[in-house]
Amino acid sequence: DGGITQSPKYLFRKEGQNVTLSCEQNLNHDAMYWYRQDPGQGLRLIYYSQIVNDFQKGDIAEGYSVSREKKESFPLTVTSAQKNPTAFYLCASSIERPGGGKRDTQYFGPGTRLTVL
Amino acid sequence: DAKTTQPTSMDCAEGRAANLPCNHSTISGNEYVYWYRQIHSQGPQYIIHGLKNNETNEMASLIITEDRKSSTLILPHATLRDTAVYYCIVRANYGGSQGNLIFGKGTKLSVKP
Repeated sequence: DGGITQSPKYLFRKEGQNVTLSCEQNLNHDAMYWYRQDPGQGLRLIYYSQIVNDFQKGDIAEGYSVSREKKESFPLTVTSAQKNPTAFYLCASSIERPGGGKRDTQYFGPGTRLTVL
Repeated sequence: DAKTTQPTSMDCAEGRAANLPCNHSTISGNEYVYWYRQIHSQGPQYIIHGLKNNETNEMASLIITEDRKSSTLILPHATLRDTAVYYCIVRANYGGSQGNLIFGKGTKLSVKP
């Protein structure tokens, strides 16, 4: 099946440890995105990538890092510098980035719930 | 900040139409109106989007007022599986950070039997 996969669904880490969240898509989409969602809140953009080997900071990039070495993969590392890492993390992709038309509609993965103990 | 205003919650009887309103009075000419929904603990699901004409797909209809300052998402025959938080988002059609989706708190729709 085509789609976006995120693994694992639930992740627990000790405070001070870096952790990497996986996001893979087989939709042949150029653009990929990472969002964070806190309880009862909307989504906030962490990083986005329009093309392989390129990415830009979103609204809340501090304490996070990403890489885009392959078109289908956009892993997110939550570093120890992130002060409140416990959250629901969502990855999304779109065919292309600008335009406002169907080709840049974002499709989301199932999410990873990270809990830092 | 989100550029839209939505009611915090709404109820709808199963089998009836659910009409979800959204105000976006500061929308600019090149911004589209997008609707997503999120079922508890899942990723958001794209529903529909439009610029100024009404739109319909297999999931819903989107009615945009002539002045584009508000819109209504219509689920014609709501089912229990439509219970979710519905997000109305305005988004520019150009690149850079202005093209990002900005999610507010949305409307929690509860479909009741």
